[in-house]
Amino acid sequence: GAGVSQSPSNKVTEKGKDVELRCDPISGHTALYWYRQSLGQGLEFLIYFQGNSAPDKSGLPSDRFSAERTGGSVSTLTIQRTQQEDSAVYLCASSADRGLYGYTFGSGTRLTVV
Amino acid sequence: GENVEQHPSTLSVQEGDSAVIKCTYSDSASNYFPWYKQELGKGPQLIIDIRSNVGEKKDQRIAVTLNKTAKHFSLHITETQPEDSAVYFCAASIMNDMRFGAGTRLTVKP
Repeated sequence: GAGVSQSPSNKVTEKGKDVELRCDPISGHTALYWYRQSLGQGLEFLIYFQGNSAPDKSGLPSDRFSAERTGGSVSTLTIQRTQQEDSAVYLCASSADRGLYGYTFGSGTRLTVV
Repeated sequence: GENVEQHPSTLSVQEGDSAVIKCTYSDSASNYFPWYKQELGKGPQLIIDIRSNVGEKKDQRIAVTLNKTAKHFSLHITETQPEDSAVYFCAASIMNDMRFGAGTRLTVKP
């Protein structure tokens, strides 16, 4: 597609429920990233996928967070047993190659845990 | 790993004035330095970038300078307009690792 698409744009969930956030990167981009942005804060790295390589999960804050990327394209970030501190905007980005080119970000999913 | 510091955290200027945001990085091997603009409710958007073999790059009202010796780079916005109001993030990259600054909230007062 023309840009990085994320869905849903907004998600309100009850504490303890599981949520899935979707990212559709730019076609042909081999690198895909997930970041978390709390209100008024910077970008917190969560996870990185590059082609068929094992993902870099070093930024995931707990084992309640997981992500997968199917067929080297669409990615899903799953948060299990959501907590109120998980409330944030979750941003997905893709690039032609990590570290060599700028990222194209999606508009994010605003997650609110009540 | 790489550490990127960004200053100031907030910046308020009068329309028409210039704005400068500065970032420092720790790893001299960093070779790619992009800048992103994030408007309210949107994801960050790449506005300009510079590579380590270049000292300055300009695109209309925005420019970026890089001082490899001092390990710092800056974003310059001239003739600021209200639509320049946003949060700006710098980043530094070493091959497989990109680190972002904490962001600068720029407000341009009409």
